[in-house]
Amino acid sequence: EPEVTQTPSHQVTQMGQEVILRCVPISNHLYFYWYRQILGQKVEFLVSFYNNEISEKSEIFDDQFSVERPDGSNFTLKIRSTKLEDSAMYFCASSERWEGDNEQFFGPGTRLTVL
Amino acid sequence: AQKVTQAQTEISVVEKEDVTLDCVYETRDTTYYLFWYKQPPSGELVFLIRRNSFDEQNEISGRYSWNFQKSTSSFNFTITASQVVDSAVYFCALRETSGSRLTFGEGTQLTVNP
Repeated sequence: EPEVTQTPSHQVTQMGQEVILRCVPISNHLYFYWYRQILGQKVEFLVSFYNNEISEKSEIFDDQFSVERPDGSNFTLKIRSTKLEDSAMYFCASSERWEGDNEQFFGPGTRLTVL
Repeated sequence: AQKVTQAQTEISVVEKEDVTLDCVYETRDTTYYLFWYKQPPSGELVFLIRRNSFDEQNEISGRYSWNFQKSTSSFNFTITASQVVDSAVYFCALRETSGSRLTFGEGTQLTVNP
């Protein structure tokens, strides 16, 4: 069964450093998403992406964040200058269609620790 | 704005008990979608069910059942004859047709003791 993959599974970085989290969505999916979950809290939407453009972003997704589809398979989330409060689990998701009844398939997550 | 409330932070039951997880939502859209996800201790998000706002029929899948009541804006999830493997955090989520985001509730930590 096709699945969303994410690398690395765990990333440790120093405050102020740039990090890039990588995702490989399911191959025939056209819509991509990033969510984050601070430890012990709920899952929060960051951004959705389609046709090389951001479709929607939350108030969390400020200028420190950017997304990119650098090639036909990867989807990345970049945090330019990490803060302690960026420590969280970051989930990538993808869906085949835009419609709300279309399931978003989640990857296993990347745990980001900012020291 | 959309909002999902899961008032039960933690529930602890003994194996074979039935347990219901509550979910109440708020939305201005007339068409929307509701979801339940399971997050086991390993951390991944496992999709359980999706429900359209125009389909209020309750659903049963094995030991799982869902009760959708539009009149009370609730989408509750019942596990019958719970098992230790059901121990996880369960999230209810809402998606409006006007956007792409899933809005999650705070989650309910279910612990099933042997």
